[in-house]
Amino acid sequence: ILNVEQSPQSLHVQEGDSTNFTCSFPSSNFYALHWYRWETAKSPEALFVMTLNGDEKKKGRISATLNTKEGYSYLYIKGSQPEDSATYLCAFPSDHSGGGADGLTFGKGTHLIIQP
Amino acid sequence: DGGITQSPKYLFRKEGQNVTLSCEQNLNHDAMYWYRQDPGQGLRLIYYSQIVNDFQKGDIAEGYSVSREKKESFPLTVTSAQKNPTAFYLCASSPYRGTYEQYFGPGTRLTVT
Repeated sequence: ILNVEQSPQSLHVQEGDSTNFTCSFPSSNFYALHWYRWETAKSPEALFVMTLNGDEKKKGRISATLNTKEGYSYLYIKGSQPEDSATYLCAFPSDHSGGGADGLTFGKGTHLIIQP
Repeated sequence: DGGITQSPKYLFRKEGQNVTLSCEQNLNHDAMYWYRQDPGQGLRLIYYSQIVNDFQKGDIAEGYSVSREKKESFPLTVTSAQKNPTAFYLCASSPYRGTYEQYFGPGTRLTVT
């Protein structure tokens, strides 16, 4: 079973501040790295799927970077808003039969709370 | 609206009984997945299916069974052999191409006493 680590486990941020957190994953046999946002009482929702080393993706105030050689990805949130409060999950395709449609191995998530 | 439905939202069963959790999608996705969440743990993969009439064990398949007779449906049976069945169960689907990003249902919380 693959090991996907996320840090920190939880984070309290003042509204308007920017923040970032980390996902570490195995650097060998890289295929893709997924980021999901999971708001309370809702379903997890995909933010990014990253496949290329050095890739940077952006969606509004949220962006992510990827370093496949050293096995980490950062998620950044600029100017945090209360609606950004959620658990952010990263995930790596599980090492079963190979290929992108394998299930995912998830980290435990970073629980982000934005304080007004 | 296109999406994934899971029913019921809450399910209660007595120990020793098998129970089947429903998952239906109308996104025309080929791949479907079942995950389990326990407190303090990441989502863990139970089973997945990349195509109709085929499915693969995930990391924690013991005590579970699935079927994939239709593209739209991927029911999960929690058998009496599953030692700790009380958990939150999430179903997901993805297209079998492109980025393979997964789309999740609302989940079923199963309590076995």
